[in-house]
Amino acid sequence: NAGVTQTPKFRILKIGQSMTLQCTQDMNHNYMYWYRQDPGMGLKLIYYSVGAGITDKGEVPNGYNVSRSTTEDFPLRLELAAPSQTSVYFCASTKGVTYEQYFGPGTRLTVT
Amino acid sequence: TQLLEQSPQFLSIQEGENLTVYCNSSSVFSSLQWYRQEPGEGPVLLVTVVTGGEVKKLKRLTFQFGDARKDSSLHITAAQPGDTGLYLCAEGSSNTGKLIFGQGTTLQVKP
Repeated sequence: NAGVTQTPKFRILKIGQSMTLQCTQDMNHNYMYWYRQDPGMGLKLIYYSVGAGITDKGEVPNGYNVSRSTTEDFPLRLELAAPSQTSVYFCASTKGVTYEQYFGPGTRLTVT
Repeated sequence: TQLLEQSPQFLSIQEGENLTVYCNSSSVFSSLQWYRQEPGEGPVLLVTVVTGGEVKKLKRLTFQFGDARKDSSLHITAAQPGDTGLYLCAEGSSNTGKLIFGQGTTLQVKP
């Protein structure tokens, strides 16, 4: 099993550009999450999904969009990138909130 | 709005000392997890607690869940340099599936 994979690992965007961060898991987990982490800080929940076709906002959803058309994939879309979106983005999946979350390796995004 | 607070934010101690890290919520936890994260890596689960008053031990780490399920603590005995890292608590809601993290405690253990 590959676990949770994320692409790309690094990306530099110019202000106003758009991009999609990809996340795929092969553990058949229903629950998937997108977090962002600023230097020395904890993880802030952007969006989450409890199953295919179901998504919901987290703590910091503004400027982002998600979709969940399959159990495996949970892409995160950034529209009109802003410097405030410079961060490390982690995707995670789990079979339930009392079970371990498995994290991807992260995407380091810089917006200049 | 859920609010998960950790304290202290930063802790620098000598090898062999004991320490305690706290995690408090504005609401009752459904479940609470503690993670440890090293630079450049994703968090790794240490423990999950779900029952009020629960105590779990993992070698030199002791985790307590408050009776009212609104607070938790992590105690490390005789800290070692290998314990250095960012310690995060995460609160899960069984009703919504939402999982949020505290801001973390950065621990530095000096040899």
